[in-house]
Amino acid sequence: NAGVTQTPKFRVLKTGQSMTLLCAQDMNHEYMYWYRQDPGMGLRLIHYSVGEGTTAKGEVPDGYNVSRLKKQNFLLGLESAAPSQTSVYFCASRRLAAGDTQYFGPGTRLTVL
Amino acid sequence: EDKVVQSPLSLVVHEGDTVTLNCSYEVTNFRSLLWYKQEKKAPTFLFMLTSSGIEKKSGRLSSILDKKELFSILNITATQTGDSAVYLCAVPPDSNYQLIWGAGTKLIIKP
Repeated sequence: NAGVTQTPKFRVLKTGQSMTLLCAQDMNHEYMYWYRQDPGMGLRLIHYSVGEGTTAKGEVPDGYNVSRLKKQNFLLGLESAAPSQTSVYFCASRRLAAGDTQYFGPGTRLTVL
Repeated sequence: EDKVVQSPLSLVVHEGDTVTLNCSYEVTNFRSLLWYKQEKKAPTFLFMLTSSGIEKKSGRLSSILDKKELFSILNITATQTGDSAVYLCAVPPDSNYQLIWGAGTKLIIKP
């Protein structure tokens, strides 16, 4: 099993550009999450999904959209990137009936100029 | 308001020392507390604690929960440079799918 994978690993955008981050998991987990992590700060939840076709806002959802069309994939979109969105983005997944443990992908480092 | 507070925020020790990291929490209807280790990449799961007074152990790392005083500690004995990382603590809020994360303790082990 590959676990949780994220594409791309690195990306540089100009202000106003758009992009989509892809998260994929092969563990058949029901729940999936998108976090951002900034220097000196903890993990902040952007959006999450409790199942295919269902998404919900987290702590810092503004400027981001998500979609979960397939159980194994969770997409994070930036419609018009801003320098404040420069961050490391982590995807995580969790199995419904296996406690609260979340398993993380390797992260995407995004820089917005 | 639900919250998780970790202390200290950073710690520098020498190889071979023993360290104790703290995580205190306030949540309604507590059900678990999780510890993660984060090196220069994604957080990796260490322990999940649900019962008070029962130690979880993995090699030189151990953790225990005190549900009466609402905190957990993570101990690392005979520290090595490879233990240098940020250690994160997280607790699920009541009836929710999320985790509330502490800010982390940055541990630096000097050779």
